Amino acid sequence: NAGVTQTPKFRILKIGQSMTLQCTQDMNHNYMYWYRQDPGMGLKLIYYSVGAGITDKGEVPNGYNVSRSTTEDFPLRLELAAPSQTSVYFCASSSDRGQGTFGSGTRLTVV
Amino acid sequence: AQSVAQPEDQVNVAEGNPLTVKCTYSVSGNPYLFWYVQYPNRGLQFLLKYITGDNLVKGSYGFEAEFNKSQTSFHLKKPSALVSDSALYFCAVRALRGSQGNLIFGKGTKLSVKP
Repeated sequence: NAGVTQTPKFRILKIGQSMTLQCTQDMNHNYMYWYRQDPGMGLKLIYYSVGAGITDKGEVPNGYNVSRSTTEDFPLRLELAAPSQTSVYFCASSSDRGQGTFGSGTRLTVV
Repeated sequence: AQSVAQPEDQVNVAEGNPLTVKCTYSVSGNPYLFWYVQYPNRGLQFLLKYITGDNLVKGSYGFEAEFNKSQTSFHLKKPSALVSDSALYFCAVRALRGSQGNLIFGKGTKLSVKP
């Protein structure tokens, strides 16, 4: 059982470039989340989804976009990368009442 | 709005001593509460949760947490700390009210256990 799979694990972007962070879960969870974790900081919610076709902004959505066309997939899009987006990104999923299951993270550096 | 507070940035404990990592929450409706641990350069691992029932919840690696509704707290505890418990600990809350079932995390508490 793979759980939550994130790709890539590492990425270096130049300012202004775009990229998509992939996230897939195989647990049939309704809820999916994207968080960012800055050094020495907690997790900040970027976007979340309560089911296919439904997404909503979290605490820090600016500069990001998401889509949820299927239950399994919840990609995060960075359109114009900025140094402030240097962070570690975590995707997670959960059932309605359950704890989140986290992916292993994507370490992104914008130079 | 939902929120979680972890008032201590760091907790230092000697090996073999009991440890407590504090967490308080604010949520509308009944809270679902969680503790996670993060080791360096790793993702978050689930430790334990409170959904309903007994206020004392037991979880992985000998950890437990006590739900206190009147104090809106969910402190993480362990009777005897190990050096290997040194890590970053996160408290999280969610409340199933409308579409607000998202997980909200505290800023984390770094636990350091010295031999």
